[in-house]
Amino acid sequence: AQSVTQLGSHVSVSEGALVLLRCNYSSSVPPYLFWYVQYPNQGLQLLLKYTTGATLVKGINGFEAEFKKSETSFHLTKPSAHMSDAAEYFCAVTTAWGTGNQFYFGTGTSLTVIP
Amino acid sequence: DGGITQSPKYLFRKEGQNVTLSCEQNLNHDAMYWYRQDPGQGLRLIYYSQIVNDFQKGDIAEGYSVSREKKESFPLTVTSAQKNPTAFYLCASKVAVANEKLFFGSGTQLSVL
Repeated sequence: AQSVTQLGSHVSVSEGALVLLRCNYSSSVPPYLFWYVQYPNQGLQLLLKYTTGATLVKGINGFEAEFKKSETSFHLTKPSAHMSDAAEYFCAVTTAWGTGNQFYFGTGTSLTVIP
Repeated sequence: DGGITQSPKYLFRKEGQNVTLSCEQNLNHDAMYWYRQDPGQGLRLIYYSQIVNDFQKGDIAEGYSVSREKKESFPLTVTSAQKNPTAFYLCASKVAVANEKLFFGSGTQLSVL
């Protein structure tokens, strides 16, 4: 089975500061990893994903994440926070094995951006 | 535009009542999913379906039922057996390829009167 741990349920950064949201995964087979963003009372939107190939992946709105197999991590970063980045962020894992292409989500990190 | 439509956006349930949440997609996706979202608990899988007329229980299926009579539709019924139904419910769909993303609807907030 797969699982995801997101360290820090709440993260606050100043506008213009580095954003770092942590995600560690557990999987006995090669994982596919995703970061989603959720604005209040809305569904989730994909920020970026890692499947195979280059371990540093770039997503929308200036976000990027690096897959580190040795650390079982997939942390999300953005060099300079913007007020519009305030939202809930979810890390998720799935694999090519098993049934139903099930996604396993972390508990989420709420990002606050301080002006 | 292609997408997933969930309705209603807000729903209220009385004690002992069954309610049905609608989910329709026009993305031609084979797989559809229902998640429940509670504050601080992330998304938990209720049911999923990979093809028409077939579905499987997720981690928290008790008190819920689904049907998949058409490829485009995957309604969720919250039965009276679900004693704590207040939550935000999200429907999602994807193509049947493992490394492809989930597409989400905009959710239904269910509350108990």
